[in-house]
Order: sequence, then structure tokens, then C-alpha cells
Amino acid sequence: AQSVTQLGSHVSVSEGALVLLRCNYSSSVPPYLFWYVQYPNQGLQLLLKYTTGATLVKGINGFEAEFKKSETSFHLTKPSAHMSDAAEYFCAVGEYGNKLVFGAGTILRVKS
Amino acid sequence: DAEITQSPRHKITETGRQVTLACHQTWNHNNMFWYRQDLGHGLRLIHYSYGVHDTNKGEVSDGYSVSRSNTEDLPLTLESAASSQTSVYFCASGQGTTEAFFGQGTRLTVV
Repeated sequence: AQSVTQLGSHVSVSEGALVLLRCNYSSSVPPYLFWYVQYPNQGLQLLLKYTTGATLVKGINGFEAEFKKSETSFHLTKPSAHMSDAAEYFCAVGEYGNKLVFGAGTILRVKS
Repeated sequence: DAEITQSPRHKITETGRQVTLACHQTWNHNNMFWYRQDLGHGLRLIHYSYGVHDTNKGEVSDGYSVSRSNTEDLPLTLESAASSQTSVYFCASGQGTTEAFFGQGTRLTVV
């Protein structure tokens, strides 16, 4: 069965600092990997996805993630945090037909 | 624009009552899903469907049921609501191996 581990349930960064949210997955087949963001009282919005091809994936709002098969990782980064980035972030691995297995989530706090 | 809508957005019900949460999508997606979100657990899959009249159990299906009579709708029914089912419920839809699109969620409180 597939699974996702997000290291750190809470991450706090200063405005302008690097954002790094960690995600490791397990999968017996080539994975489809996703990062979603959830703002308070809202649904989940896709940030970026990896299916095949280039392992460095760029998403919305300046985020990017790199698929590293040897490390079974798909960490999310952003060079410079903005106050509007404060939200909860979910890493997910896709099974057949968009069925997703989610990590527990990481709440990002951005300090001014 | 295509969208996925959930109703109601908030509901309070009593223990033992039957509750149905609605999910309607206009993407014309074959695949639809129900998840529940709980602190520390992320989102966990309750039930899913790959097409009309197809339903499948997910990780946390006990106490829940779904039916798929058309492409657009996948209602989630709690047969006899329990306090452990207090949660935020998300419906999602998708096609093929691309991403899933999520509704805004329904916050259910069982008292």
C-alpha cells in the first residue's frame, strides 16, 4: 500500500526566508505525486504535481518540488516566504484513477 | 466554469440520526471520492466511485455509504451518526491519472 510521511506538523519561517516542507512516500509502482494547499475554511487547491518527465516541478505562487526516486522524496520549496503563504500543505501520492493517499499535513506559519 | 459543490457547508445533527451530504460536479468526471479530514490524520478516503453504479470502500468506510446513479452526483450517507463522525468532509472528482479537484467541504458536528 502507498503511504506518505510529512516531517513536521508545524513549520515556522520568517517572511523572505526559504520555505522547505518535507515529504517522503512509499509506493510499489512509479508514483504520481501532488502538493495541495488549504487556506482556512476552504477546500484543497493543487499547488503542483509530478507524473512523468522532468523531476523538478514548478507550481503556482512560486513553489516548486523535486522528485527524488532514490530518496523516495518530494519536498516542497519556495525561495522567499510571503505572509500569504501561511496555510496547511498536504503531500499526496496518487493511486489508480486519482485515488489519493495523503500525508498528515504541515501547517506553515510565516512571521513578519 | 466547471466546479464541484458540496451541501450543506455546515450541519449539526444528533447521535443516531441518518445524515446525507451532497456532492455535485460539473466536470463530467468519471471518478468521485469522499474524504474526511481530522487533525493529525490529513485526509482519509471513505468511499469512491469510478463510474455510474460503481462504488468502493476506502480506508475508513464503516458507518458510511454512497450511491452513484448519475455522473454528476455522489451523495454520502451516515447511516446512524456517531460523535466519532464529527469531522470535515471533502468531496473530490477527477479523470484518468491527473489531479483530483476538491469541493469546499462540509463541517459536520454530531451531538
